[in-house]
Amino acid sequence: DAMVIQNPRYQVTQFGKPVTLSCSQTLNHNVMYWYQQKSSQAPKLLFHYYDKDFNNEADTPDNFQSRRPNTSFCFLDIRSPGLGDAAMYLCATSRLRRAGPSTDTQYFGPGTRLTVL
Amino acid sequence: GENVEQHPSTLSVQEGDSAVIKCTYSDSASNYFPWYKQELGKRPQLIIDIRSNVGEKKDQRIAVTLNKTAKHFSLHITETQPEDSAVYFCAASRANFGNEKLTFGTGTRLTIIP
Repeated sequence: DAMVIQNPRYQVTQFGKPVTLSCSQTLNHNVMYWYQQKSSQAPKLLFHYYDKDFNNEADTPDNFQSRRPNTSFCFLDIRSPGLGDAAMYLCATSRLRRAGPSTDTQYFGPGTRLTVL
Repeated sequence: GENVEQHPSTLSVQEGDSAVIKCTYSDSASNYFPWYKQELGKRPQLIIDIRSNVGEKKDQRIAVTLNKTAKHFSLHITETQPEDSAVYFCAASRANFGNEKLTFGTGTRLTIIP
């Protein structure tokens, strides 16, 4: 069942200390997403890659960056974590095409729970 | 952009009874509507989805109905069991032609009372 893998599952960092979360997938999907989810709330999309094209949400803080070196891997970098960045970070993938019917289904990884001290 | 409203925010149901969760959407161009179940501390998992070319879809105890005219869709769970207790999220998107983002509802915490 390990189609979307996230590492680490739990991450503790200090206020202001950069942290990188990783996501990998074995589905060969061309779209990868990063969501932030706080307790009792819906997942909030931070950004996504459509193939190599990066798409940032308008309200995503500059503190959050992403890299996708190849189809299988995607990273979330938090440059200077604040207390408000403590959350579950979810990676998801889907297979979509620029023309014609799309799969649309998003498959989520298990998440990384980030604690900021 | 799309806006999805979900009701109720919490729902308690006696085991064996049915549960219904409703969502409305604002973008008439939305045509893909998935439902996710999220247990505490776990990932959201797709339980059922529907596209705008059908009005109803069923998978064992779970069904989803879609009313395109009214722009609302609902999740129906029959014969509820304790393992159905979770948070359920509806979502909507404009599938096809590269529009790949989901807009989520705010979630419904479903509790099944044994």
